[in-house]
Amino acid sequence: DADVTQTPRNRITKTGKRIMLECSQTKGHDRMYWYRQDPGLGLRLIYYSFDVKDINKGEISDGYSVSRQAQAKFSLSLESAIPNQTALYFCATSGGDRDKRTQYFGPGTRLLVL
Amino acid sequence: TQLLEQSPQFLSIQEGENLTVYCNSSSVFSSLQWYRQEPGEGPVLLVTVVTGGEVKKLKRLTFQFGDARKDSSLHITAAQPGDTGLYLCAGAPGNYQLIWGAGTKLIIKP
Repeated sequence: DADVTQTPRNRITKTGKRIMLECSQTKGHDRMYWYRQDPGLGLRLIYYSFDVKDINKGEISDGYSVSRQAQAKFSLSLESAIPNQTALYFCATSGGDRDKRTQYFGPGTRLLVL
Repeated sequence: TQLLEQSPQFLSIQEGENLTVYCNSSSVFSSLQWYRQEPGEGPVLLVTVVTGGEVKKLKRLTFQFGDARKDSSLHITAAQPGDTGLYLCAGAPGNYQLIWGAGTKLIIKP
């Protein structure tokens, strides 16, 4: 089984709709991240959480919100989706004893906002 | 703002050729990582370099961290179609967050 899972894998929605992307991990890591990836722009950090009670904005948090329901679960919400939020979204974790710098990614959610 | 610039953005070469991908910044990083991403998947770590001037080898891939810890290169010898993917560099400024380059899309033609 995958260590970091994301649901859904693909989603089509309409402008103005609220949607939630979910992420679960079995790695036991304390740190979790949400990124979006756009062609030519690389990975841009939306939000990150260093533990259940610690939530921080990344470089592009406007229009997004998150919830850390448990150490293993970190959800990303688009309160009112707009077309320029069409992108590939990744959840990642880090925090293993061996190397806290390494990030482990889920398979991604491809979101299309019409 | 710390930035990591990767070059080239896109590279398409024949199987058996050699290539080098660059990752440059004006900032110093405590470490630098290289990831590879294949279609439909998330990035996967290839290597972490920590010491200025450090060289690490992973089969046909050679990674080097610049002496000043501001830049890095990835050299692939005798590229194979299985090397096709998006290569991303990521620098750690020291607080366990990562600064990401935009990536180099590599295609190796049989």
